[in-house]
Amino acid sequence: ETGVTQSPTHLIKTRGQQVTLRCSSQSGHNTVSWYQQALGQGPQFIFQYYREEENGRGNFPPRFSGLQFPNYSSELNVNALELDDSALYLCASSLAASGRDEQFFGPGTRLTVL
Amino acid sequence: EDQVTQSPEALRLQEGESSSLNCSYTVSGLRGLFWYRQDPGKGPEFLFTLYSAGEEKEKERLKATLTKKESFLHITAPKPEDSATYLCAVPLGGITGRRALTFGSGTRLQVQP
Repeated sequence: ETGVTQSPTHLIKTRGQQVTLRCSSQSGHNTVSWYQQALGQGPQFIFQYYREEENGRGNFPPRFSGLQFPNYSSELNVNALELDDSALYLCASSLAASGRDEQFFGPGTRLTVL
Repeated sequence: EDQVTQSPEALRLQEGESSSLNCSYTVSGLRGLFWYRQDPGKGPEFLFTLYSAGEEKEKERLKATLTKKESFLHITAPKPEDSATYLCAVPLGGITGRRALTFGSGTRLQVQP
């Protein structure tokens, strides 16, 4: 069974640039959630994708957007980067039909905005 | 407003010194409480799910318990390799299997040899 993978591991961007982060879900999982984790804080929910559609969204502006592909992998796009976007971005996968809400996380992408 | 609060923020123990971490929640209609372990710079690793008051789960030196208002993560005779941040989370609203998780800020545990 393959776990959740994310790429790249680390990324450095400058203010105003755009970034795309990628996630492959755990084998058999059809739901992907993205979280932002600032240093010393718990993860904050950004949005979730199920069957290639956004299924819910946290308190993040529209410059945070995403996609889910037919193979359930996903992308997180952030436009017009700001310094406060520097964080660990986590992808988590789950199986919607499991009747359970556990989510399994990837290793994360560390984004630094200068 | 649904909230999850963890205490203490940080805890330093000597190897073998047992202790407990607390997670209190104010959620209307609890649909499960999850514990995760997170090593620095890594993603959270799933530990336990608890669904009802009185439920207990164990894994090696860790035991999680749940009441109607809080959960405890008991660490018995910890070892240095137990050093990590421990996060608790609850799912919010929506449909089972497609609920977002809201997390506490975590407890940073350091176990010294």
